[in-house]
Amino acid sequence: ETGVTQSPTHLIKTRGQQVTLRCSSQSGHNTVSWYQQALGQGPQFIFQYYREEENGRGNFPPRFSGLQFPNYSSELNVNALELDDSALYLCASSPRQGINEQYFGPGTRLTVT
Amino acid sequence: AQSVAQPEDQVNVAEGNPLTVKCTYSVSGNPYLFWYVQYPNRGLQFLLKYITGDNLVKGSYGFEAEFNKSQTSFHLKKPSALVSDSALYFCAVRPNAGNNRKLIWGLGTSLAVNP
Repeated sequence: ETGVTQSPTHLIKTRGQQVTLRCSSQSGHNTVSWYQQALGQGPQFIFQYYREEENGRGNFPPRFSGLQFPNYSSELNVNALELDDSALYLCASSPRQGINEQYFGPGTRLTVT
Repeated sequence: AQSVAQPEDQVNVAEGNPLTVKCTYSVSGNPYLFWYVQYPNRGLQFLLKYITGDNLVKGSYGFEAEFNKSQTSFHLKKPSALVSDSALYFCAVRPNAGNNRKLIWGLGTSLAVNP
């Protein structure tokens, strides 16, 4: 097991609602990245947090926001949900920025109806 | 634009045969290269990475990958496939130059190993 946990496992929301997804990083890891993986696609980078600061952002609108806490756990918030937000949301942690591989959680499956 | 290509959506091999999953990239500088595997309804698992040094990198579960700088490729290989290797494989590249040094992912290749 990687040690990265995510909650909830599955979630169903309706269009226009807001959602918060949570991630606990592996012990000793201070960098957390969030990805969106649509069915049959590769992961799309949303953003990364390093020591509680956003450290890079992909091509996602501002209604996708996040936080990282002092214990390096993280949240992903999505406002004004759209049908196309339905996807698997993956959290990955790593010991530091740079060349270290990322350790992924099992993901949260979000369905927007 | 920087990109990673996995030219095959699906690869089928018989158990016991060698397998290759292809990856090519278009990224400036000397990027870092990664392979991940995703089993059904699971998150991604790290397999191996190339940073520098020997072009042949060995990783988890008997997998290895060969870095070819002139062809900008990083193909994943295994000498003898197992049915349990059936999964989705992703190549990812991290640029080592410029402002954006976040991982760039391929679209994935579905590997089916037939008994």
